Amino acid sequence: EADIYQTPRYLVIGTGKKITLECSQTMGHDKMYWYQQDPGMELHLIHYSYGVNSTEKGDLSSESTVSRIRTEHFPLTLESARPSHTSQYLCASSAGPFTEAFFGQGTRLTVV
Amino acid sequence: KNQVEQSPQSLIILEGKNCTLQCNYTVSPFSNLRWYKQDTGRGPVSLTIMTFSENTKSNGRYTATLDADTKQSSLHITASQLSDSASYICVVSDRGSTLGRLYFGRGTQLTVWP
Repeated sequence: EADIYQTPRYLVIGTGKKITLECSQTMGHDKMYWYQQDPGMELHLIHYSYGVNSTEKGDLSSESTVSRIRTEHFPLTLESARPSHTSQYLCASSAGPFTEAFFGQGTRLTVV
Repeated sequence: KNQVEQSPQSLIILEGKNCTLQCNYTVSPFSNLRWYKQDTGRGPVSLTIMTFSENTKSNGRYTATLDADTKQSSLHITASQLSDSASYICVVSDRGSTLGRLYFGRGTQLTVWP
């Protein structure tokens, strides 16, 4: 089983609130990713990181931001949540660009 | 445009039966192809990963095939179990960038009935 963890698993919040989704891995992987997935749809890359102090935007435009201060930690923040942010957010990590990616359990976010 | 198409979109089979899921891709340049299993409300879990030179790879009751010439892959599940009910996602990685970008299919939703 992969050593990558996301918290919380489920989150229901009101519009305008600031939230941070946590993601941690204990495998020492340099590369980490955030994906967004709506029901029945494919995963879309919203952020990625090559290593500490490296963050890049992905293919899908997102109002969220990320940081990578430590290798094992890659949190995602929404400054002001809106109902359009309702989705499942999946964090992943890999040792290299062409190696297996390990996924966390996901955070199901609902903004009301 | 790099794309990954899966079929069928959904499938219902009886416990103990076999099934085959299909994946066609247009990702280029190709690096590897992965099959993931995703239970409802969970993150994907890797089943197999195949490079250009690999035609077949097995993981227990799961056998994946790859035809890099026709850009097709299949996932065969033998003697299905109730726990096989999940979405099976085909993912193709390109080698055209340092990121090794992943392209995801929408998945085949498999339901196994007793």
